[in-house]
Amino acid sequence: KQEVTQIPAALSVPEGENLVLNCSFTDSAIYNLQWFRQDPGKGLTSLLLIQSSQREQTSGRLNASLDKSSGRSTLYIAASQPGDSATYLCAVEVANAGGTSYGKLTFGQGTILTVHP
Amino acid sequence: KAGVTQTPRYLIKTRGQQVTLSCSPISGHRSVSWYQQTPGQGLQFLFEYFSETQRNKGNFPGRFSGRQFSNSRSEMNVSTLELGDSALYLCASSTSGTSLHHEQYFGPGTRLTVT
Repeated sequence: KQEVTQIPAALSVPEGENLVLNCSFTDSAIYNLQWFRQDPGKGLTSLLLIQSSQREQTSGRLNASLDKSSGRSTLYIAASQPGDSATYLCAVEVANAGGTSYGKLTFGQGTILTVHP
Repeated sequence: KAGVTQTPRYLIKTRGQQVTLSCSPISGHRSVSWYQQTPGQGLQFLFEYFSETQRNKGNFPGRFSGRQFSNSRSEMNVSTLELGDSALYLCASSTSGTSLHHEQYFGPGTRLTVT
């Protein structure tokens, strides 16, 4: 059974710092890994999708890396801003017993990020 | 392009009642997945539909069911509501076909409170 763990559970940093969020997963047979952001009481916003054949993806100040063999991904946020404050979730898409996946994402518990001015 | 929409946004029901939630995917997306989010369990997968067929199902009791219409809109139903069903219910859509696995886009969710 796939398990996803995110460390740290919470992080508070001053504005302008570069930071790293960690995600680990137990089953390396993943199809892809996706990072999301969730604001309080809201839905999820997709940040980056890394296919299993890729090593990293970048979007603006965000960079996500994937190491399937070690079951790890990191999300790097450069020059953090107060508007980055949110919960960050990573999720993996893994095949089920039948060799398919079809929409099943397994999520970590998230990292609550607070960036203070 | 309009995003994923969910209705209603908030709902209060009594134990034992049933409820139906609706999700309209992004235009052109044929896959719709449903998730339950609670403080204790986090985000858990309920089921996924593609072309009106349920292709995948999570570990939830039979009280949770869903369906998808020919226009890809989806509904989920929860019968005989329990207090523990109080949660944020999220749906996501993607272009997932029969082979590739695509990025999922989430709606704003329906906040269900069972009293």
